[in-house]
Amino acid sequence: GAGVSQSPSNKVTEKGKDVELRCDPISGHTALYWYRQSLGQGLEFLIYFQGNSAPDKSGLPSDRFSAERTGGSVSTLTIQRTQQEDSAVYLCASSWRPQGAQETQYFGPGTRLLVL
Amino acid sequence: AQTVTQSQPEMSVQEAETVTLSCTYDTSESNYYLFWYKQPPSRQMILVIRQEAYKQQNATENRFSVNFQKAAKSFSLKISDSQLGDTAMYFCAFTSGGSYIPTFGRGTSLIVHP
Repeated sequence: GAGVSQSPSNKVTEKGKDVELRCDPISGHTALYWYRQSLGQGLEFLIYFQGNSAPDKSGLPSDRFSAERTGGSVSTLTIQRTQQEDSAVYLCASSWRPQGAQETQYFGPGTRLLVL
Repeated sequence: AQTVTQSQPEMSVQEAETVTLSCTYDTSESNYYLFWYKQPPSRQMILVIRQEAYKQQNATENRFSVNFQKAAKSFSLKISDSQLGDTAMYFCAFTSGGSYIPTFGRGTSLIVHP
């Protein structure tokens, strides 16, 4: 079946503008994760969804970042008033069910965000 | 807090040779899981191999195998018969038994030369 998809692939925006990043997980996957990958860095956890609820928002770097998930499927990550330090690749991943630690995550191709 | 360290930012290997990527981690947990993910230039990250801490036997997936040293908290990845398609960033990741959130290392960039 189809894998995790993300859109747009690339996004260039001006400082201060809002952006929305979309993630379509694998059908039936109940867990969804957002990560940020900056140049030369590992993956920084942002937020985790189980179904439509987000039991762990601990990684969101500021209140300019928010995310939602509707229908237990598509998720949107919104960054308000973007700053240059928000420039990064934003990765989405999903997994089958919240078995926890042993679940393999399936990643999307990412959205490369550049804030000018 | 758990940490994952990949001490080799870059590595290179000749095609058909063997290379080992290192990973160490720090945890006080006894139940946890370790993963190696591969991120090729196309950016889509995929799982290479994973290891359950309670298993003594090292995981193997075709040309990929791990050397899991629990006491030393070491989890290295060995790639045998390297192929050009193995060129990628490799990330080591750790998840404790009670968590849904993995901790990733900073990655090792592997280049396979023809």
